[in-house]
Amino acid sequence: DAGITQSPRHKVTETGTPVTLRCHQTENHRYMYWYRQDPGHGLRLIHYSYGVKDTDKGEVSDGYSVSRSKTEDFLLTLESATSSQTSVYFCATRGVLRESNYGYTFGSGTRLTVV
Amino acid sequence: AQKITQTQPGMFVQEKEAVTLDCTYDTSDPSYGLFWYKQPSSGEMIFLIYQGSYDQQNATEGRYSLNFQKARKSANLVISASQLGDSAMYFCAMREGPRGNTPLVFGKGTRLSVIA
Repeated sequence: DAGITQSPRHKVTETGTPVTLRCHQTENHRYMYWYRQDPGHGLRLIHYSYGVKDTDKGEVSDGYSVSRSKTEDFLLTLESATSSQTSVYFCATRGVLRESNYGYTFGSGTRLTVV
Repeated sequence: AQKITQTQPGMFVQEKEAVTLDCTYDTSDPSYGLFWYKQPSSGEMIFLIYQGSYDQQNATEGRYSLNFQKARKSANLVISASQLGDSAMYFCAMREGPRGNTPLVFGKGTRLSVIA
């Protein structure tokens, strides 16, 4: 009954190759977010979406692009992966603020290693 | 300027004792919400507690309470009667605006270790 599914869960890729991470939700939530987590930095926003085909940049968007062609899917693409993009990537969605978690649901994360 | 500041990279607490994790925030928006999340070693983000800027009382959820001092812009998490299972990373986060349309902004986190 997972509301958010991230795929893949783990990936090792070579420097310079393109990589796409997928976030799929079944909650029909309008807002979706991509964060990266690195030691000493917490979670930092990469890109977010406020509707189909509506996206905006976050704090650390350089080197990343996103697409949202359907409500349920939010794709994060690293056009040419670099070692500095080795990280854990979290997808999140926001629904109604008065839900038990005050609206925010997180995926399980994708651990990406760029060698 | 950082919007969320957590000044304690790591903390230790004895089992069954209470512990306070610090969080200060910076916003000029009168409407905002403050969150605390727990991240155990398994990696998932677990929602703990929420405080709205207009809430008159401090939020409480079981052993978790939020010490909200609006004038000081602080939102410290208090965990009472610590348990070994409380060992984890803890993140403070904020959303701004009345509709919460802006993304959550996170602090750098505090790693809590509970000692038997």
